[in-house]
Amino acid sequence: DTGVSQDPRHKITKRGQNVTFRCDPISEHNRLYWYRQTLGQGPEFLTYFQNEAQLEKSRLLSDRFSAERPKGSFSTLEIQRTEQGDSAMYLCASSSELALYNEQFFGPGTRLTVL
Amino acid sequence: AQTVTQSQPEMSVQEAETVTLSCTYDTSESNYYLFWYKQPPSRQMILVIRQEAYKQQNATENRFSVNFQKAAKSFSLKISDSQLGDTAMYFCACGAGSYQLTFGKGTKLSVIP
Repeated sequence: DTGVSQDPRHKITKRGQNVTFRCDPISEHNRLYWYRQTLGQGPEFLTYFQNEAQLEKSRLLSDRFSAERPKGSFSTLEIQRTEQGDSAMYLCASSSELALYNEQFFGPGTRLTVL
Repeated sequence: AQTVTQSQPEMSVQEAETVTLSCTYDTSESNYYLFWYKQPPSRQMILVIRQEAYKQQNATENRFSVNFQKAAKSFSLKISDSQLGDTAMYFCACGAGSYQLTFGKGTKLSVIP
């Protein structure tokens, strides 16, 4: 399967714990995005990488959130001191800067539940 | 910044019939793209159709077509010959120079046998 993959698919944690999610984009894609989707809402943009550079961060990305893409391939999203409001589906997407219309391909998401 | 509004939280359609999902958007960008994504239950989001804002011709992809009204900032999705596999959440999205996509809240479509 050459699509976007995310790990883990589900994560249950207690309030105050740290969690880390991983995203592996489509191999030839140099752009990578993180979105958050809560129940009944569309995905909301969190952050964007082109290669290893983090070029945009949403105001939604508080200082408890950090994302990295150290070698321009996979990316990690870490949430420190989780809160119940962090419960959501975290989606990763990738695209190629060579694409004319920046079509983004999405992964299956990581569903986070904070107890 | 972009905003995307989908005013129909839920819709249903009989199998083999046609249904239209509505979307309005607002953007200050002159060059932007519009998308419809489909998210089946417990499955990942996939692109259904896209439209470049500079193109006047409406996009079509098999049973899926759009009605793009640029002046009205409207971008509706028409699904013809609806199939059970079309049951899903449908999200309208707008993308511009910042590369991020702005999504609407979605429309839950149920295809009834």
